[in-house]
Amino acid sequence: SQKIEQNSEALNIQEGKTATLTCNYTNYSPAYLQWYRQDPGRGPVFLLLIRENEKEKRKERLKVTFDTTLKQSLFHITASQPADSATYLCALVAGGGADGLTFGKGTHLIIQP
Amino acid sequence: ETGVTQTPRHLVMGMTNKKSLKCEQHLGHNAMYWYKQSAKKPLELMFVYNFKEQTENNSVPSRFSPECPNSSHLFLHLHTLQPEDSALYLCASSQKAGDSNEKLFFGSGTQLSVL
Repeated sequence: SQKIEQNSEALNIQEGKTATLTCNYTNYSPAYLQWYRQDPGRGPVFLLLIRENEKEKRKERLKVTFDTTLKQSLFHITASQPADSATYLCALVAGGGADGLTFGKGTHLIIQP
Repeated sequence: ETGVTQTPRHLVMGMTNKKSLKCEQHLGHNAMYWYKQSAKKPLELMFVYNFKEQTENNSVPSRFSPECPNSSHLFLHLHTLQPEDSALYLCASSQKAGDSNEKLFFGSGTQLSVL
C-alpha cells in the first residue's frame, strides 16, 4: 500500500542552525511533491512544490530536494528562528489518478532560542 | 487570512444531533475538499468536489454527507456521529482538482467534539 513517512514526531534544533526534515514514500510515482506548514489550531499553509524533474527548489531560507530514485524529499530551513517552530507536512498527489493530496503525519519542529 | 473561511470554529454535539459545517472560499477556485485530522494521525482525505461534481469519496461513512451547491461553498452535514469522529475537520480549495499545480489552500478548521 502507499505510504508517506516523515522522520520523527519531534525535532529540536538550536536557533541559527539548519533544520533538516525528511519525507520518504513507498508505492508512489509522484510527478511532484509539496511541503506545508501547520501551526496549532490552524490549517496547513502551502510552502513549496517540487517536480520530479527538479533536483532542488529554494524560497528564501527554505530549500527542498527531491530524489525519485531514493523516493525521498529533504526540507531544509537555514538560519532557523523560533518563529519557524511548527509542524511540517509533506504531501503527494493521491495515487491511481485520484484527486486530492495525501499527507504524511508531519514533523513537529521546535527551534530553541 | 487564506481566503478559505470555515464555520463554526468549534462544535460540540451529542451522538443524536444533526449539525452542519460550512466552508466558503473567496479565491475563485473550482475544487473544494474535506479533510479529517485526528490526533497523531495524518490528514485523511474525505471528499473532493471539482466544478461542483463529487470526484472522490474515500469510503467515508454515510453519517457524513457533503454538499457543494456552487464552487465557492461546501458543507458537511453530520448526523448520528460517534465519539471517534471527534477531530479537526479542514476544508481546502484549489484551482482545479487533478491539476499538476494542485496547491491546496486550507481554512482554519472546525474542531468537533462528539459526546
